[in-house]
Amino acid sequence: KQEVTQIPAALSVPEGENLVLNCSFTDSAIYNLQWFRQDPGKGLTSLLLIQSSQREQTSGRLNASLDKSSGRSTLYIAASQPGDSATYLCAVGGGTSYDKVIFGPGTSLSVIP
Amino acid sequence: SQTIHQWPATLVQPVGSPLSLECTVEGTSNPNLYWYRQAAGRGLQLLFYSVGIGQISSEVPQNLSASRPQDRQFILSSKKLLLSDSGFYLCAWSPLSSSYNSPLHFGNGTRLTVT
Repeated sequence: KQEVTQIPAALSVPEGENLVLNCSFTDSAIYNLQWFRQDPGKGLTSLLLIQSSQREQTSGRLNASLDKSSGRSTLYIAASQPGDSATYLCAVGGGTSYDKVIFGPGTSLSVIP
Repeated sequence: SQTIHQWPATLVQPVGSPLSLECTVEGTSNPNLYWYRQAAGRGLQLLFYSVGIGQISSEVPQNLSASRPQDRQFILSSKKLLLSDSGFYLCAWSPLSSSYNSPLHFGNGTRLTVT
């Protein structure tokens, strides 16, 4: 059974710092991995999707990497801003349809001005 | 462009009362549709998913049910709410084909409090 964990559970950094969020999964037989952002009381917004054949994806100040063999993914945020404050969730896709997606519990990020 | 609408945004209901949450998607056809629940401090739990009209799969046996009366409409219901049904309910969609290459798209959620 696939299990997804995220470390740390919460993180507070001063504005301008680069930071890394971690996601680990127990079963390396995945189809993709997604990173989402969730603002308080809101739905999830997709940030990056990495297919199983890919090693990383980049969007602006965000870079996500995937190491299937070790069961790990990282989300790197460069030059953090107060607007980056949110909860970040990773989700692992175990099949070709989304009924097999398993979400991690999330990392709550606070960027202090 | 595709949009997903979910309502109501917040709901307070007494134990034993019925529930109906609605989700609609615009700008796409034949989407996969999903209902998730997010409990405080926990990850998202898939409740139901649908690949077509009238086709509903349940991931977790519970007090809830789902229906898909139209291609882009997904409804979450309960005949009698329990306290444990409180939580944040999220509707999501993905394209029917090449699903694993496309991200999930979420609505803004419904905060349900059962009192």
